[in-house]
Amino acid sequence: GQNIDQPTEMTATEGAIVQINCTYQTSGFNGLFWYQQHAGEAPTFLSYNVLDGLEEKGRFSSFLSRSKGYSYLLLKELQMKDSASYLCVLHGSGAGSYQLTFGKGTKLSVIP
Amino acid sequence: DTEVTQTPKHLVMGMTNKKSLKCEQHMGHRAMYWYKQKAKKPPELMFVYSYEKLSINESVPSRFSPECPNSSLLNLHLHALQPEDSALYLCASSLDRGGQPQHFGDGTRLSIL
Repeated sequence: GQNIDQPTEMTATEGAIVQINCTYQTSGFNGLFWYQQHAGEAPTFLSYNVLDGLEEKGRFSSFLSRSKGYSYLLLKELQMKDSASYLCVLHGSGAGSYQLTFGKGTKLSVIP
Repeated sequence: DTEVTQTPKHLVMGMTNKKSLKCEQHMGHRAMYWYKQKAKKPPELMFVYSYEKLSINESVPSRFSPECPNSSLLNLHLHALQPEDSALYLCASSLDRGGQPQHFGDGTRLSIL
């Protein structure tokens, strides 16, 4: 099976940088996604890491270390609209390659 | 707005009603998914269609019946639902299996009376 851990809630200040960590246990996976979900809305794709290292996309960066079972999402220059839940998601491999295993999400509150 | 369109956005139905949820995408994606999401919980996979064929059914009760009429459309037929089935139902699609992100629709918020 797969298990994903991420903090339940975080608070950060507008304009600051925040890092949301995710640790996981799995027997195998293709890659790791990060999704953003505003309350009552659909999840939106942010990033996908297959190889170890950092992927940067504007204000958002995501990092993966397969050997450590660890990923993080880094948000820079925080804006009020970044207040949302951030989901760490494993992308299955082999027969399970269609399947996404979602973490429980980290609710980020950005304050002025 | 997303490229995956779901209708209706809200649905209230009694336990004896029959209704259908609809999902449409025109991105040429060949894999489509139904998820159920309860408040403050992550989405739970229900069904996966690949090339219009059902490839995964996550032990979903038979009162939920999926249908994929063509590569752009995905339906979820509902009959004799229970109050605990009230949730946000999300449709998603991806290009194919492999390292492709799933794109989600805005969901249908379903309430069972």
